[in-house]
Amino acid sequence: GIQVEQSPPDLILQEGANSTLRCNFSDSVNNLQWFHQNPWGQLINLFYIPSGTKQNGRLSATTVATERYSLLYISSSQTTDSGVYFCAVLSGGYNKLIFGAGTRLAVHP
Amino acid sequence: DADVTQTPRNRITKTGKRIMLECSQTKGHDRMYWYRQDPGLGLRLIYYSFDVKDINKGEISDGYSVSRQAQAKFSLSLESAIPNQTALYFCATSDWSSYEQYFGPGTRLTVT
Repeated sequence: GIQVEQSPPDLILQEGANSTLRCNFSDSVNNLQWFHQNPWGQLINLFYIPSGTKQNGRLSATTVATERYSLLYISSSQTTDSGVYFCAVLSGGYNKLIFGAGTRLAVHP
Repeated sequence: DADVTQTPRNRITKTGKRIMLECSQTKGHDRMYWYRQDPGLGLRLIYYSFDVKDINKGEISDGYSVSRQAQAKFSLSLESAIPNQTALYFCATSDWSSYEQYFGPGTRLTVT
């Protein structure tokens, strides 16, 4: 089955810093989503981005489908950005989202 | 109001008890899913349903059953709970025209 790898596994930032999270996947995909899981466990949809670039405030994402990777950019990080960021993909022939192991982000004031 | 709701939000139960987790959605989506998340890991699919008459097993369906009572409601049951079913459970929905999935707030289940 399709493999999803996220890097780095852990990231510590000072408030105001920028960061880039990466998601590599092993096969072509119909869907790629980025989620933020907050400290209370809730999963928040950030982007639905099977290809191209999208921006939402301080966050943006780029997926290069032909090279099988996606990047999530966080600019001017805030303490509320802390949590785990998951990349998940859905590949042709499968009916489930395959999640990566996540990147755990801690933003300190 | 939230588009995807789950009840209960937290539950502690004993080994051997039957428990039902419920999911409702107001998004009008036809597809619904149940996922499980263990500490420090991503989510894994338990069951999914593409319409009221369509139920399919996911990768970890053993020990679970589901019921799709209506387009908007999808329940997950643990017939005889065991401690290794302690996890965070998520319901999700999607529309037939899009692959994007939307998640509920989760149910934290502890089996003692």
